Amino acid sequence: GESVGLHLPTLSVQEGDNSIINCAYSNSASDYFIWYKQESGKGPQFIIDIRSNMDKRQGQRVTVLLNKTVKHLSLQIAATQPGDSAVYFCAEITTGTASKLTFGTGTRLQVTL
Amino acid sequence: DTAVSQTPKYLVTQMGNDKSIKCEQNLGHDTMYWYKQDSKKFLKIMFSYNNKELIINETVPNRFSPKSPDKAHLNLHINSLELGDSAVYFCASSHKDRASGYTFGSGTRLTVV
Repeated sequence: GESVGLHLPTLSVQEGDNSIINCAYSNSASDYFIWYKQESGKGPQFIIDIRSNMDKRQGQRVTVLLNKTVKHLSLQIAATQPGDSAVYFCAEITTGTASKLTFGTGTRLQVTL
Repeated sequence: DTAVSQTPKYLVTQMGNDKSIKCEQNLGHDTMYWYKQDSKKFLKIMFSYNNKELIINETVPNRFSPKSPDKAHLNLHINSLELGDSAVYFCASSHKDRASGYTFGSGTRLTVV
């Protein structure tokens, strides 16, 4: 079936370095791709989204890249901080009456000092 | 504070019992959801309601019965609890016509013993 998945279960990054979290998806009909951050004991928190007709979108310290040719999505975090330590999920959504957010498997980002 | 709030945060119960989890949002959203997160952190949608109407039921056992008394509330009742029901359950809300930007509650950790 359709799925959204991640290559790396755990990523360790030194404080101050840039982080790149990758995601592969299979549903070409998705309208939006979204990144969520989940800290321990909390619910997923929206970070940034990108519409399917775009290839790049920037936020504060974060950039999402979408490569539809190879069905690949990435989240880049600049100058990674200890507070960025969390599990990151990519997700996709197709608009419509029964619209739903479908999550990938998650990557744990560990920031070392 | 504007938020999605769910209670209780922790729930420990014996097999065979019936329990409920409550969810409320004050964001003015018209659509609410229940997600289940398993021990491997995988997040899967269970139900969605739009203006008190059931939109999505993802082949969840009928021991799970969502109830939406109004568009700001979506409760989850579980009958005859089983060990496999142990998980973290997240409530979320969004605007139906807005593809991204789901807001999640902080979760209810259900442990069935």
